[in-house]
Amino acid sequence: GENVEQHPSTLSVQEGDSAVIKCTYSDSASNYFPWYKQELGKRPQLIIDIRSNVGEKKDQRIAVTLNKTAKHFSLHITETQPEDSAVYFCAASRNNQGGKLIFGQGTELSVKP
Amino acid sequence: DGGITQSPKYLFRKEGQNVTLSCEQNLNHDAMYWYRQDPGQGLRLIYYSQIVNDFQKGDIAEGYSVSREKKESFPLTVTSAQKNPTAFYLCASKLGPSNEKLFFGSGTQLSVL
Repeated sequence: GENVEQHPSTLSVQEGDSAVIKCTYSDSASNYFPWYKQELGKRPQLIIDIRSNVGEKKDQRIAVTLNKTAKHFSLHITETQPEDSAVYFCAASRNNQGGKLIFGQGTELSVKP
Repeated sequence: DGGITQSPKYLFRKEGQNVTLSCEQNLNHDAMYWYRQDPGQGLRLIYYSQIVNDFQKGDIAEGYSVSREKKESFPLTVTSAQKNPTAFYLCASKLGPSNEKLFFGSGTQLSVL
């Protein structure tokens, strides 16, 4: 079945450094790739998403890149801040599947001041 | 916050007991989803519903049941057949089954006594 693999499971960076989280997906028909941030004890919230007709998307300090040929996509956070500390989930979905998202296992990002 | 409400926040289940988790949304969304969150395993799809009076099994439906009698409500019952029910349960909704932003509730932590 469909699968999304996410790495690393934990990531620790110094404040101001960049962080990169990578995901690979198995279903070549996937065409929508969102990223969610879940702070401790809170609900996941969408931070950025990308569709398969786009290779890169940026929103201030965060960016997502997509390589359809290799079936992987990545989240890049620049100039990290302590408030970026959270668990990040990637996900993938395709049309005609009820809109269900297949999530990666999550990455716990820790930004040390 | 608001828009999609889960209750209770904490729930305890005894052996052989069925328990029901509530999920209500006032966003006029057609599609609703139930995910289970376990440490290190990301979010796994239990059941989803694209429209009232219709629902489909997700990846881990065994031991769970749902109903969708009203557009606003998508309750999840954890039956006694679910042998490992301890987890954080997240309900989510979106406008339709096409690829759009998923809104999450604040979750219910279910534990076994």
